[in-house]
Amino acid sequence: NAGVTQTPKFQVLKTGQSMTLQCAQDMNHEYMSWYRQDPGMGLRLIHYSVGAGITDQGEVPNGYNVSRSTTEDFPLRLLSAAPSQTSVYFCASSYPTTTGVGGYTFGSGTRLTVV
Amino acid sequence: AQSVTQPDIHITVSEGASLELRCNYSYGATPYLFWYVQSPGQGLQLLLKYFSGDTLVQGIKGFEAEFKRSQSSFNLRKPSVHWSDAAEYFCAVGDDFGNEKLTFGTGTRLTIIP
Repeated sequence: NAGVTQTPKFQVLKTGQSMTLQCAQDMNHEYMSWYRQDPGMGLRLIHYSVGAGITDQGEVPNGYNVSRSTTEDFPLRLLSAAPSQTSVYFCASSYPTTTGVGGYTFGSGTRLTVV
Repeated sequence: AQSVTQPDIHITVSEGASLELRCNYSYGATPYLFWYVQSPGQGLQLLLKYFSGDTLVQGIKGFEAEFKRSQSSFNLRKPSVHWSDAAEYFCAVGDDFGNEKLTFGTGTRLTIIP
């Protein structure tokens, strides 16, 4: 099983450019999320989805868009890149259980640098 | 809103020694708590989770965690660490509406010395 696949692994953007970070999972998980990881700040939730066609904002959504047209894919779009968006981005997926979420499976991350 | 505090930024232990990583949470109701481990350059891997029931939770790789409501803590323990346990460890709490959203602590970096 591939699990959660993120592409690209590394990316350098110029300020003002746009791009899409791809995320795909092959576990038929309903829940998918995007986090960013910055030194000393842990992981912060950007956007999440509880199923195809349903998305919502997390803690730090500004400057990012998402959509969820299929269960498998959850792309993250940077509309106009800024240096403050330099970070490592993680996509994660999970499934509901009778007692909550089953525990997220994380991708290996995309390291983004905005210059 | 929930929050998580990991008071130790960096811990160094000798191989074979016991380990305890601290995690304190702030949450109004019964919390949903998780521990994840991140090796350098990798994503996060779930070690264990607590939803309800037995307050001592067993996880993978020989780790366990104990939920103490009176202390708002969910500390991670291992009786004897191995060099391969060197990594960063994150505690997280699930949100009110079914755990779709996790709030993470800032992490504890574990170094193992021979």
